[in-house]
Amino acid sequence: QKEVEQDPGPLSVPEGAIVSLNCTYSNSAFQYFMWYRQYSRKGPELLMYTYSSGNKEDGRFTAQVDKSSKYISLFIRDSQPSDSATYLCAMSGVAGGTSYGKLTFGQGTILTVHP
Amino acid sequence: DAGVIQSPRHEVTEMGQEVTLRCKPISGHNSLFWYRQTMMRGLELLIYFNNNVPIDDSGMPEDRFSAKMPNASFSTLKIQPSEPRDSAVYFCASTRQSNTEAFFGQGTRLTVV
Repeated sequence: QKEVEQDPGPLSVPEGAIVSLNCTYSNSAFQYFMWYRQYSRKGPELLMYTYSSGNKEDGRFTAQVDKSSKYISLFIRDSQPSDSATYLCAMSGVAGGTSYGKLTFGQGTILTVHP
Repeated sequence: DAGVIQSPRHEVTEMGQEVTLRCKPISGHNSLFWYRQTMMRGLELLIYFNNNVPIDDSGMPEDRFSAKMPNASFSTLKIQPSEPRDSAVYFCASTRQSNTEAFFGQGTRLTVV
């Protein structure tokens, strides 16, 4: 079993829809939870990160972490065609400066938002 | 800031040949990471350096893989000899020691035929 599980999709939604992306994990040591967005033929770029449990909102994006259930979510409101990309959840278990890039990634969910 | 720079962007090589991938991290970042991405396995960490010193190479698949960071502005990932199953996109990423964000390069798409 992988440490981080993510449904690869693909997920196709109409413009304006609310999108829900999810990951589950098994390692209780994970403390930092991130969502990366990757456009085709590009490197991943950080979208949002949260520390421990709770919610974080940034514009149309909301990240939720439930450590008790080992479950994280990313919600996209009013989705746009420009949101079409692969969304990767990532986690880190080190609360220190040397290993923030030592991430365990989910498989990634391919999202298409059609006009 | 030009971001993390990787070269080459694409590499096609024959099985058995040596392949060298290069990375220039963002200036001022002191942690550098090499990842590999495939359809089957997703993004996997191969090795990471802190202040030019290899910290964790547990993700390096075999002895055919080696990585070096001779200075703060340059790192290489070498595969010798290459095999078709090494075909993947290899990403380099860098971070500041006190920052949570890892900045990724554009990747090198390696095809071994």
